[in-house]
Amino acid sequence: AQTVTQSQPEMSVQEAETVTLSCTYDTSESDYYLFWYKQPPSRQMILVIRQEAYKQQNATENRFSVNFQKAAKSFSLKISDSQLGDAAMYFCAFGARNQFYFGTGTSLTVIP
Amino acid sequence: NAGVTQTPKFRILKIGQSMTLQCTQDMNHNYMYWYRQDPGMGLKLIYYSVGAGITDKGEVPNGYNVSRSTTEDFPLRLELAAPSQTSVYFCASSYWGGAGDTQYFGPGTRLTVL
Repeated sequence: AQTVTQSQPEMSVQEAETVTLSCTYDTSESDYYLFWYKQPPSRQMILVIRQEAYKQQNATENRFSVNFQKAAKSFSLKISDSQLGDAAMYFCAFGARNQFYFGTGTSLTVIP
Repeated sequence: NAGVTQTPKFRILKIGQSMTLQCTQDMNHNYMYWYRQDPGMGLKLIYYSVGAGITDKGEVPNGYNVSRSTTEDFPLRLELAAPSQTSVYFCASSYWGGAGDTQYFGPGTRLTVL
């Protein structure tokens, strides 16, 4: 069975600073994908970034980047130059064979 | 494009009642998904469909039924509603499917069973 663990229920960051959200997962699959989704108060889930497990290079999307450590089964999200609009719940997710598993989320507060 | 739309936005059911949650997408996506999100938890996959006429179970399918008669629509049926089905339900779609494709989510339906 696949599991996704987010050990930080809440995090806060000063505006313009950098914050890292942690995620670990467990799987026996060799072909899988990892995701970070953002869920603002509107509840609509939005994909932030995606990482293919077979790629060693860490994914980057503008101010968002990941640190993917495959051997350690770790997948953290770094948000640089944090903005007020980054405040939301962030979910780490795992996908393989048309099945998807989500962590319990980290609530990010951005302090002006 | 409206993307993924869900109706209703909110619903209160009594124990034992039935209802259908509607989901429609206008992006011509092949894959569609239903998730539930319990308070303080992540999303759990209920059912998914890889195309019209084809559906399969996710992690938590018990108490639900789905059908996919068209590419656009993927309704979720609750029979004999129970308090344990109180949750927020999200529908999502993706174009070519598979674990790596981007899923587009609807705004969710908040369901309370009393």
